[in-house]
Amino acid sequence: SQQGEEDPQALSIQEGENATMNCSYKTSINNLQWYRQNSGRGLVHLILIRSNEREKHSGRLRVTLDTSKKSSSLLITASRAADTASYFCATVRSEKLVFGKGTKLTVNP
Amino acid sequence: GAVVSQHPSWVICKSGTSVKIECRSLDFQATTMFWYRQFPKQSLMLMATSNEGSKATYEQGVEKDKFLINHASLTLSTLTVTSAHPEDSSFYICSARSLAGPYQETQYFGPGTRLLVL
Repeated sequence: SQQGEEDPQALSIQEGENATMNCSYKTSINNLQWYRQNSGRGLVHLILIRSNEREKHSGRLRVTLDTSKKSSSLLITASRAADTASYFCATVRSEKLVFGKGTKLTVNP
Repeated sequence: GAVVSQHPSWVICKSGTSVKIECRSLDFQATTMFWYRQFPKQSLMLMATSNEGSKATYEQGVEKDKFLINHASLTLSTLTVTSAHPEDSSFYICSARSLAGPYQETQYFGPGTRLLVL
């Protein structure tokens, strides 16, 4: 069963705008991870945030985690056309990654 | 670092044949490898977990005799789809994780193999 649920399911923005994707989960976690998948390709690990962290940055990416609400958000600032991809959050359950349904982001040039 | 390769990237086969997909960790030793299946516009569904030198653990609903997994070394796992049928057509992705070194907490994914069964 899906642990994470992302919203929105699809997001279309213009280049230069910021993109925010949200993820909710159901059980307690040690960490939450965000992955990116270009169409027809494998997944690329973007960032891992631990349960005792509230915010983490990596380049143009900013991830927040609210364990009280069981939710996380991924913000991509100053988006580029190359950011067009599907983004998945994932939590670990019994050492296995459980993925959400993903947000398909389209950045229009 | 943390590069995982898959071979082949594309395979088309006739119904009833078997297809082998290889997953290799190129620059680290993967104590555990995972096999996922992804249908169009859907998320990844875990099929099985394989640990080097032991039998794979399959998720509920995944036929172990249909999807044979071998993890004979710390850098190679194979998935064999036996007697493939059109409904097996999908995108198969592997990932690898190490219990030691800098890659402990994260799974690193291969580029995927698209299987089309005619």
